[in-house]
Amino acid sequence: GAVVSQHPSWVICKSGTSVKIECRSLDFQATTMFWYRQFPKQSLMLMATSNEGSKATYEQGVEKDKFLINHASLTLSTLTVTSAHPEDSSFYICSARDPTGGSQPQHFGDGTRLSIL
Amino acid sequence: RKEVEQDPGPFNVPEGATVAFNCTYSNSASQSFFWYRQDCRKEPKLLMSVYSSGNEDGRFTAQLNRASQYISLLIRDSKLSDSATYLCVVRGGSYIPTFGRGTSLIVHP
Repeated sequence: GAVVSQHPSWVICKSGTSVKIECRSLDFQATTMFWYRQFPKQSLMLMATSNEGSKATYEQGVEKDKFLINHASLTLSTLTVTSAHPEDSSFYICSARDPTGGSQPQHFGDGTRLSIL
Repeated sequence: RKEVEQDPGPFNVPEGATVAFNCTYSNSASQSFFWYRQDCRKEPKLLMSVYSSGNEDGRFTAQLNRASQYISLLIRDSKLSDSATYLCVVRGGSYIPTFGRGTSLIVHP
């Protein structure tokens, strides 16, 4: 079964709306979660690393004020796309690493398909 | 040079064919290597890890060449259900993986 739950799976909003995406680790505590964005026919691009109890680390070119990340507990990280515009339309995926072991580098959520009209 | 490079394809092969994908990485300090499979509009799913000695899982064989900094994936006896995008993933000591852009495979009847 899924070990990382991401919600919602599909969002269609008007331009200017803020959208919050949740990522939950179900079977383990994740001190670190990762947020990716994937445009059609492109690779997964890391946006930011979310750290429980501290500020997220953003990759170069990703606007902190545009993509707000909150990691308030060991099982939940949220990504808020503020004042979303059509160019923000993309596939957003979160992942978490289970620190208790296992060879799999990341457990992924199902992804959120964001469409801004 | 990109950190992880893959031929985007698409590779269009008939059922039963053998197909191979290569992936090169730029960071010689990379420690872990993986192949993920991603179906359209879905999240990536781990296909297999890649070990230094090479490893096989059914019809899938992965190889690692550290000297040349490339990884390969061989799929034998291709099935229609193998159609997907195959992502090469490389990870260093920071546990943050780097993804290639993926190689698209289309298996036709």
